[in-house]
Amino acid sequence: SYELTQPPSVSVSPGQTAMITCSGDALPKQYAYWYQQKSGQAPVLVIYKDSARPSGIPERFSGSSSGTTVTLTISGVQAEDEADYHCQSADSSGDYWVFGGGTKLTVL
Amino acid sequence: QVQLVESGGDLVKPGGSLRLSCAASGFSFSDYYMSWIRQAPGRGLEWLSYINTRGDTIYYAASVEGRFTISRDNANSFLFLQMNDLRVEDTALYYCARGRINGAADERLDPWGQGTLVNVS
Repeated sequence: SYELTQPPSVSVSPGQTAMITCSGDALPKQYAYWYQQKSGQAPVLVIYKDSARPSGIPERFSGSSSGTTVTLTISGVQAEDEADYHCQSADSSGDYWVFGGGTKLTVL
Repeated sequence: QVQLVESGGDLVKPGGSLRLSCAASGFSFSDYYMSWIRQAPGRGLEWLSYINTRGDTIYYAASVEGRFTISRDNANSFLFLQMNDLRVEDTALYYCARGRINGAADERLDPWGQGTLVNVS
C-alpha cells in the first residue's frame, strides 16, 4: 500500500525556520495537504494543493514541492506553533488517500 | 459557521458493531464530499473512507474495506459510518471532515469535527 514518510520529530528555537518534509512516490502527480494538530485538538488545514494557504493561516506557513518530496516551512517559529504536523495525499490513482506518520514540532 | 459534530462512539466488544454519525451545519452539505478519518491513541491519522455528493462513489482504506460502510443523508445533513466486526485495533478517535466541493480538483479536508471515541475491548 502507498505510504508517505515524515520525520518523527523536528526541533527549532523561537524565531528560527522549521522545515518538515513528506516523501512519497506519487507526489509528483498528486497534490499534498498539511494539517496542524495541537494537543487534544482536531487537525486544522494549514496548506492545500502543495503551497496554497487557507484564509486565516499566518503567512509564516508555506509549502513547496520538488519531485517526490513536499515541504512545509514555518518561518519565524513561535511557541504557539508547537504541534503535530501531518501531510496528506493520494496514491497514483487518486482514489485512495493516505496520511504521513506525523511530525512533532518542538519549539525549544 | 461551518460545524461538524460526531456522535455514536462507545465501548464495544470485539466482533460488535457501532454506527457513527456526523451532523453538519453552516454549509450546503449536499455540495461537498465527506470523509472519515481516525486516530488511534498516540498515533497518527488514518484515512478511512470518502463519499461523493450523491453517495454513488465511495472508497475505503484496505484496513476497513468490507467491515465499514459510509453513507450520507443529504436531506438532513448527516454523514454516517457503520462499523461491523470491530477489532481491538479499531480503537481510536473517529473524525469526520468536509472534503472538496463538487467539481473541484482539491482534496483538502476542512474543517474537521472534534471526534468521537470508539473503544473496542
